[in-house]
Amino acid sequence: DAGITQSPRHKVTETGTPVTLRCHQTENHRYMYWYRQDPGHGLRLIHYSYGVKDTDKGEVSDGYSVSRSKTEDFLLTLESATSSQTSVYFCAISEPTGTRITFGYTFGSGTRLTVV
Amino acid sequence: GEDVEQSLFLSVREGDSSVINCTYTDSSSTYLYWYKQEPGAGLQLLTYIFSNMDMKQDQRLTVLLNKKDKHLSLRIADTQTGDSAIYFCAESIDQGGKLIFGQGTELSVKP
Repeated sequence: DAGITQSPRHKVTETGTPVTLRCHQTENHRYMYWYRQDPGHGLRLIHYSYGVKDTDKGEVSDGYSVSRSKTEDFLLTLESATSSQTSVYFCAISEPTGTRITFGYTFGSGTRLTVV
Repeated sequence: GEDVEQSLFLSVREGDSSVINCTYTDSSSTYLYWYKQEPGAGLQLLTYIFSNMDMKQDQRLTVLLNKKDKHLSLRIADTQTGDSAIYFCAESIDQGGKLIFGQGTELSVKP
């Protein structure tokens, strides 16, 4: 989607290796999110960020870490990839109105990660 | 805890109406959303409804909200093959801006 890009789009990696996925936005939105999508589970929140150096855990954060050193970049790291982390990963951005998200998220196109 | 439930599959004929249903649990949800995901793509916001509304119409899309039953539906009139996709409902659960998504309903439109 315009203003948000994810890289790489596809990656195959071996079990036990570290992997970093990147989300880059040009919208200057404060909030950024990482979700994973798996059949039958919909989208599950991994980590999110309210601003530079301000991150928090979602419902499935084990085995993942994030960093946000600049407004435009949100990195997701799989410290030691496992086969259960094979998934499609989506980044999303949002700019809250007041204290509530009014118009929902804008999503990136996703990264398909396969851990073999 | 928060939970959003959808049926997984729906199949309709081209030209018919489609109705995709969703139930949610957080009665304090302020906004509820419908997203569309086409194959190999990210999610696109289709429409949203504020919790003080019962209905919202946008061209072929009609959203109905029953707050008492915590039930949300998306009706697509005159469904086309291009409407074939996965549809997700989501609720905004707190001031932290987190959305909780349902499992997604795969809509298949047959010619």
